[in-house]
Amino acid sequence: GIQVEQSPPDLILQEGANSTLRCNFSDSVNNLQWFHQNPWGQLINLFYIPSGTKQNGRLSATTVATERYSLLYISSSQTTDSGVYFCAVWGNLFFGTGTRLTVIP
Amino acid sequence: NAGVTQTPKFQVLKTGQSMTLQCAQDMNHNSMYWYRQDPGMGLRLIYYSASEGTTDKGEVPNGYNVSRLNKREFSLRLESAAPSQTSVYFCASPAGGETQYFGPGTRLLVL
Repeated sequence: GIQVEQSPPDLILQEGANSTLRCNFSDSVNNLQWFHQNPWGQLINLFYIPSGTKQNGRLSATTVATERYSLLYISSSQTTDSGVYFCAVWGNLFFGTGTRLTVIP
Repeated sequence: NAGVTQTPKFQVLKTGQSMTLQCAQDMNHNSMYWYRQDPGMGLRLIYYSASEGTTDKGEVPNGYNVSRLNKREFSLRLESAAPSQTSVYFCASPAGGETQYFGPGTRLLVL
């Protein structure tokens, strides 16, 4: 199957800081999604972004499909951003191992 | 509109016992999926159903069976639970080829 690698594995930020999370994938994909798993385990869709750039409030994502990577940007981080961020690629969603983000006040 | 629901939320089994995890979606989606998530890892696909009446194996199907009872419901059965099946199980249903919606998860502990 497709290999999905995420970096960094762990990230600790001061509230208000910005961050960039990276997702590399091993093969061409038609679909890519970013998810946030909150500390209670709930998985929340952030972006469906097979290519291009999207923004939603303080979050934005860019996928460069030809170079097989995607970036998730978090600006002005808040404590509620803490959790694990996963990227996943289709066919049947191959998940990366995630980036665990901790935002401290 | 509840989205994707799962029961039970938490279960403890002894090795060799059987159980069925239930999943239902009220979004009228065709596809449904079962994943497991082990500590420190992403989700891995167990089985999926592209439409009512069809099921296919995913990445880690051994030790599991599934039933797509109707368009709404997709169940996952462990016939003889093993400690290696201790995990959090997520059911999901995508909207077309795009956004994947997840249930709240079932935490399973096999002793």
